[in-house]
Amino acid sequence: SYVLTQPPSVSVAPGQTARITCGGNNIGSKSVHWYQQKPGQAPVLVVYDDTDRPSGIPERFSGSNSGNTATLTISRVEAGDEADYYCQVWDSSSDHVIFGGGTKLTVL
Amino acid sequence: EVQLLESGGGLVQPGGSLRLSCAASGLTFSRFAMSWVRQAPGKGLEWVSTISGSASTTYYADSVKGRFTISRDNSNNTLYLQMNSLRAEDTALYYCAKDLTSSGWGSWFDPWGQGTLVTVSS
Repeated sequence: SYVLTQPPSVSVAPGQTARITCGGNNIGSKSVHWYQQKPGQAPVLVVYDDTDRPSGIPERFSGSNSGNTATLTISRVEAGDEADYYCQVWDSSSDHVIFGGGTKLTVL
Repeated sequence: EVQLLESGGGLVQPGGSLRLSCAASGLTFSRFAMSWVRQAPGKGLEWVSTISGSASTTYYADSVKGRFTISRDNSNNTLYLQMNSLRAEDTALYYCAKDLTSSGWGSWFDPWGQGTLVTVSS
């Protein structure tokens, strides 16, 4: 079955740029979606279809997807961005939703 | 504003059954596929099941296929998950989520409910 690989953790200082990767075989051929989950809260969609942002999500959040890696980029990181981030795709070969293992973003 | 409210969680013995519900408001319910996603304590997200808006198509994770059944009542804007033959590894917070397509195929989730906790233990 299709596997998405994320780094367990990423750390960044406030004001800097955080990049969270999501690796998968030829993931560039799939649509990738990203969720933010803060402690004790439900996940929130922050990027869909590789690069699009839902209304209400700051422009600081952006996505890219090519080859074997998709990336969520958070510019000008703030303390409030500290959360777990998950990538997600639809695997058409199995008709299954696949989540990455999640990345904990720590703001130093 | 779309709101999703799960209910029905609780403590159940291994081998037992439980039915979860998700009441939806603020949307034309039948136009959208709906899904269940779970999260074991301290772990990541795991997709469980998806049902199309018309209820004609369902999808299941391998870990629950044959034990769980997803269904919906479009006249009452409610999503269900019937869980049978429960195991300790089914212990998790179960979220319902609205898909962005009607078919569920290739979809993503927005928004999510706050979840209902299922604990399988003797």
